Amino acid sequence: NAGVTQTPKFQVLKTGQSMTLQCAQDMNHEYMSWYRQDPGMGLRLIHYSVGAGITDQGEVPNGYNVSRSTTEDFPLRLLSAAPSQTSVYFCASSYSLSGREQFFGPGTRLTVL
Amino acid sequence: AQTVTQSQPEMSVQEAETVTLSCTYDTSESNYYLFWYKQPPSRQMILVIRQEAYKQQNATENRFSVNFQKAAKSFSLKISDSQLGDTAMYFCAFAPEGAQKLVFGQGTRLTINP
Repeated sequence: NAGVTQTPKFQVLKTGQSMTLQCAQDMNHEYMSWYRQDPGMGLRLIHYSVGAGITDQGEVPNGYNVSRSTTEDFPLRLLSAAPSQTSVYFCASSYSLSGREQFFGPGTRLTVL
Repeated sequence: AQTVTQSQPEMSVQEAETVTLSCTYDTSESNYYLFWYKQPPSRQMILVIRQEAYKQQNATENRFSVNFQKAAKSFSLKISDSQLGDTAMYFCAFAPEGAQKLVFGQGTRLTINP
């Protein structure tokens, strides 16, 4: 199993550009999440999904969109990138809601100029 | 809203020593889960240990153990016989039961010196 994969690993954008961060998992997990990591702030939840076709907002959803058309994939879209979105982005998945371990991808470092 | 606080931004110890990382949290939930995640320089998030709030017994995983004080809302991580490979950022995290979200602390940067 590849676990949770994310592409790209690094990305530089100009203000106003759009892009999609890809996330895929091959563990048949129902639950997937996106977090962003900023210095001194730990990880914060952006959006999450409890199954195909079901998504909800986390703590910091503004400026991001998600969709979940399959169990395996959970892309994160930046509609109009801003310098405040410069961060490291992590995708995670888990088997259930019952406090089970979340498995994290390797992260994407995004810089918005 | 739940919050998690790690009051030690950085710590440094010698190899083979024991080190304790502190974590406090605030919640009105009665059932929840607590985690310690390790993030080495590779950036990968790795689960170190997990505690279920309804279990009074403290979790242990080899050299890693926790001191869970539910009334005090405290969840510290003890690393025994520390190794150079333990050098990493350590994050304490909280998850309410039945919720797909982790609330993270700010992290503690731990350096193990030879």
